[in-house]
Amino acid sequence: DIQMTQSPTSLSASVGDRVTITCRASESISRFLNWYQQKPGKAPKLLIYAASSLQSEVPSRFSGGGSGTDFTLTISSLQPEDSATYYCQQSYSTVFTFGPGTKVEIK
Amino acid sequence: EVQLVESGGGLVKPGESLRLSCAASGLSFSSYNMNWVRQAPGKGLEWVSSISRSSTYIYYADSLKGRFTISRDNAKNSLYLQMNSLRAEDTAVYYCARELVEPGTPFDTWGQGTLVTVSS
Repeated sequence: DIQMTQSPTSLSASVGDRVTITCRASESISRFLNWYQQKPGKAPKLLIYAASSLQSEVPSRFSGGGSGTDFTLTISSLQPEDSATYYCQQSYSTVFTFGPGTKVEIK
Repeated sequence: EVQLVESGGGLVKPGESLRLSCAASGLSFSSYNMNWVRQAPGKGLEWVSSISRSSTYIYYADSLKGRFTISRDNAKNSLYLQMNSLRAEDTAVYYCARELVEPGTPFDTWGQGTLVTVSS
């Protein structure tokens, strides 16, 4: 199976900061990489698909990049409502896998 | 409004079985691949299984070792997960999710989840 890793495991940043989360695949997955946001007690929410396509109604401060094995999720100006855990997910293989998550907190 | 509603969760003993259901509304259910994803308490997301639109293609996480069976009934707009020989480590919130027909085949719609607790 394709393994996904994320860094950092958690971060704390101030409102207005630029935040970048990294996701790495154990083998090349082209651009078959999606990003989700999850808040406590809620279902995950799709943010970015196919590495860099912004899902409908997701704020433009979220952006994604990368291809092959290395990907990023960037929040250009962190807002209080962005406090959540963020997961990457590969859909290159028929066995999908998620990254372990990155918890983002607001200072 | 597209909606997915899971049901069937509960408390069961190790070794017992449980069948989860996911009722879909507001979408052409038979047009989409569907998935189950689970999340153990305080842990991350774990993909469980997927099923194609006409049930032709079915895939499972290796960790399940043949204990779970995914199925669907397009006439009833419903997705199912039959879980056998349950273990304590299967304790989790189970979500059903729609797989978009887009590059990256992301999961764009999720249910609210149903909690399965395996404990003696």
